[in-house]
Amino acid sequence: DVKVTQSSRYLVKRTGEKVFLECVQDMDHENMFWYRQDPGLGLRLIYFSYDVKMKEKGDIPEGYSVSREKKERFSLILESASTNQTSMYLCASRNRVGRQETQYFGPGTRLLVL
Amino acid sequence: AQSVTQLGSHVSVSEGALVLLRCNYSSSVPPYLFWYVQYPNQGLQLLLKYTSAATLVKGINGFEAEFKKSETSFHLTKPSAHMSDAAEYFCAVSGAAGNKLTFGGGTRVLVKP
Repeated sequence: DVKVTQSSRYLVKRTGEKVFLECVQDMDHENMFWYRQDPGLGLRLIYFSYDVKMKEKGDIPEGYSVSREKKERFSLILESASTNQTSMYLCASRNRVGRQETQYFGPGTRLLVL
Repeated sequence: AQSVTQLGSHVSVSEGALVLLRCNYSSSVPPYLFWYVQYPNQGLQLLLKYTSAATLVKGINGFEAEFKKSETSFHLTKPSAHMSDAAEYFCAVSGAAGNKLTFGGGTRVLVKP
């Protein structure tokens, strides 16, 4: 089974803090993704990575950056957290590029920014 | 551009009754379509996916979905709801937008005893 893990289930941070969300997958997948999930809006893509050291902006990249130094790990960084970044963050991985390929999701990190 | 619309943010069904969750999509290329389920405090789990092999797709836990090109729909059904089906369900399309998935807003299912 594919396993995608996220470093924290719940996080509470203060406005202006730098926040790191970590995601690790154990199936040697090439592609990794970061989404945020908000009620009524579904999941929206923040950033994705096709391979190590590669990154592409998704639909809502503003206020976020990412890092992928190793194939199994994809980090999401909030440079200066703001209250409108309070959300559920989901990481996903996929074996390879292909529109029919399945994405596998981690359990999510619920972030509260005060 | 690609998009997904899920009709109804909340659906309530009685245990044993039919579950019907509606999904309509738009895509400039032949789409691949997915249904995911999210149980409370968990990530998303794939229920089923359409990849053009067959229009009626069977998934896990007794769910199935039918791809109807003329209606641009991919509705999810289950003949008999179980209490364990209480969850949020997301429809997603993979179209021309660079291998990205675009999700609908989700439908939360409540199952009444």
